[in-house]
Amino acid sequence: NAGVTQTPKFQVLKTGQSMTLQCAQDMNHNSMYWYRQDPGMGLRLIYYSASEGTTDKGEVPNGYNVSRLNKREFSLRLESAAPSQTSVYFCASSARDRTNHEQFFGPGTRLTVL
Amino acid sequence: DAKTTQPPSMDCAEGRAANLPCNHSTISGNEYVYWYRQIHSQGPQYIIHGLKNNETNEMASLIITEDRKSSTLILPHATLRDTAVYYCIVRPFSGNTPLVFGKGTRLSVIA
Repeated sequence: NAGVTQTPKFQVLKTGQSMTLQCAQDMNHNSMYWYRQDPGMGLRLIYYSASEGTTDKGEVPNGYNVSRLNKREFSLRLESAAPSQTSVYFCASSARDRTNHEQFFGPGTRLTVL
Repeated sequence: DAKTTQPPSMDCAEGRAANLPCNHSTISGNEYVYWYRQIHSQGPQYIIHGLKNNETNEMASLIITEDRKSSTLILPHATLRDTAVYYCIVRPFSGNTPLVFGKGTRLSVIA
């Protein structure tokens, strides 16, 4: 099992450009999440999807859109990138049954907006 | 906002036990205590969780006080590879409740 995979690993954008960060999991998890982490800070939730077909805003959703493409994939889109969106983006997934408490994280996408 | 308080940093000698404290004085009866760690810039990694009993697994032990207002994560024999930021998180378990991260404790294991 690959777990949670994210592409790309690194990306540099110019202000105003758009891009989509991809995330996929092969653990048959129902729930998926997008977080961002700025230097010296903890992770902050951008959006999450409790199950296929549903998405909800987290703490910092402005400037982002998400798509739960299917059970495996959850993408994050920046429509018009801004320097304030320079960050490391982590995708995560978890099961919904009460015996599984662990949230699994991907390796992250390091995004720089110039 | 995170509902936990942790010291910003701690040092530990290699081979000694690392005891990381966490205060969660407003914890509710249905909330669990979770510990995750983040090594360098990798994605966070689950360590352990508990409700009210002490828990132990192959990575660590979790000691929760009787009133559940604080807890301690114990790494019994810290190694250099345990150098990381450790996050204490409380949340109700519903299977899909997102984790809310604070700034955590930066543990430095020193040779």
